[in-house]
Amino acid sequence: QSVLTQPPSVSGAPGQRVTISCTGSSSNIGAGYDVHWYQQLPGTAPKLLIYGDSNRPSGVPDRFSGSKSGTSASLAITGLQAEDEADYYCQSFDISLSGSGVFGGGTKLTVL
Amino acid sequence: QVTLRESGPALVKPTQTLTLTCTFSGFSLSTSGMCVSWIRQPPGKALEWLARIDWDDDKYYSTYLKTRLTISKDTSKNQVVLTMTNMDPVDTATYYCARSPSSYGGNDYWGQGTLVTVSS
Repeated sequence: QSVLTQPPSVSGAPGQRVTISCTGSSSNIGAGYDVHWYQQLPGTAPKLLIYGDSNRPSGVPDRFSGSKSGTSASLAITGLQAEDEADYYCQSFDISLSGSGVFGGGTKLTVL
Repeated sequence: QVTLRESGPALVKPTQTLTLTCTFSGFSLSTSGMCVSWIRQPPGKALEWLARIDWDDDKYYSTYLKTRLTISKDTSKNQVVLTMTNMDPVDTATYYCARSPSSYGGNDYWGQGTLVTVSS
């Protein structure tokens, strides 16, 4: 059972918009800790997609965006492409766990 | 450029202690704010945060594994070492080290990971 809750799977057709939710609590996202998002392609290490709730590292397309409100965060992907098919993870920190990091359970994005 | 590489045994026996080394280049762990974390991923499962060491030698551990983990750094060698005691088959996973430029920031560079299998 992950501290941060994500839907196991989402899907969308090419060109569509999808969102992935990440639900936490008052001891992690709600405590003000930043949320970070990672994309993991099969057989590869995770790649930082969004940091600090809504910032994109250099090289990440602006089709990817992040937001946070209260105890939840969301990753939105617009103009869905076949290459976006991957696992997506949210990450934050938890004050009730002595500030240790926590991940969501991951969401498998399928491009139909 | 920034690179990280994990090294260690591919196979350990139950009850043994695992020692993993993260050797990095392109940054210094003595730079203010810099951190290196260990994260693992059992086959087909989610990422799990294990531990982090900061530039000032502050250390943070997963609450669930705290009694089994030790993280340390050798700044002169650009290495971070993670030890995990009393290994069990459920600890079979790919172990990653990753860098963050701030204590609670995102991990912007990752190693390729090393698969550790726990089996007798």
